Amino acid sequence: NAGVTQTPKFQVLKTGQSMTLQCAQDMNHEYMSWYRQDPGMGLRLIHYSVGAGITDQGEVPNGYNVSRSTTEDFPLRLLSAAPSQTSVYFCASIGGGLGDTQYFGPGTRLTVL
Amino acid sequence: AQSVTQLGSHVSVSEGALVLLRCNYSSSVPPYLFWYVQYPNQGLQLLLKYTTGATLVKGINGFEAEFKKSETSFHLTKPSAHMSDAAEYFCAVTKAGNNRKLIWGLGTSLAVNP
Repeated sequence: NAGVTQTPKFQVLKTGQSMTLQCAQDMNHEYMSWYRQDPGMGLRLIHYSVGAGITDQGEVPNGYNVSRSTTEDFPLRLLSAAPSQTSVYFCASIGGGLGDTQYFGPGTRLTVL
Repeated sequence: AQSVTQLGSHVSVSEGALVLLRCNYSSSVPPYLFWYVQYPNQGLQLLLKYTTGATLVKGINGFEAEFKKSETSFHLTKPSAHMSDAAEYFCAVTKAGNNRKLIWGLGTSLAVNP
């Protein structure tokens, strides 16, 4: 099992550009999440999905879109990148049991100039 | 609103010394509790978790934590620090009514000095 994979590992964008961060998991988990991690602010939930075709907003959704067409994939789209979106982005998937572990990808380090 | 407080954003210990990382939470219902570790330039991985049963929970790499409901605490300990324990540690609790959403602490950076 590869677990949770994310691509790319690093990305530099100019303000106004758009891009998609890819996330895939091979554990057949229904629940997946996107977080951003900024110094001194911990992890903040951007969007999450409870299954294919179902997504919802987290605490910091503005400027980001998601879709979930398959159980395996959960891409995060930046519509028009801004310097405030410079961050490290983590994708996670969670099993279905009570108190199940969140499995994190290795992260994407994004810089917006 | 629920919250998680990790006391001390930076903790420094000597190799071989006791590691104690503090976590307190506020919740209207007993939550599930987690500690995650993040090594430099990596994603987070589960260290240990409490869901039900025995309140002293053992995790990977010699870490353990005790759920104390009366104190709303879930402190992480390790008897003897190793250089490889240097990392960022995050405490998290499940959000009331949604056991897959986590409320995260801001993290504690652990430095281990030789």
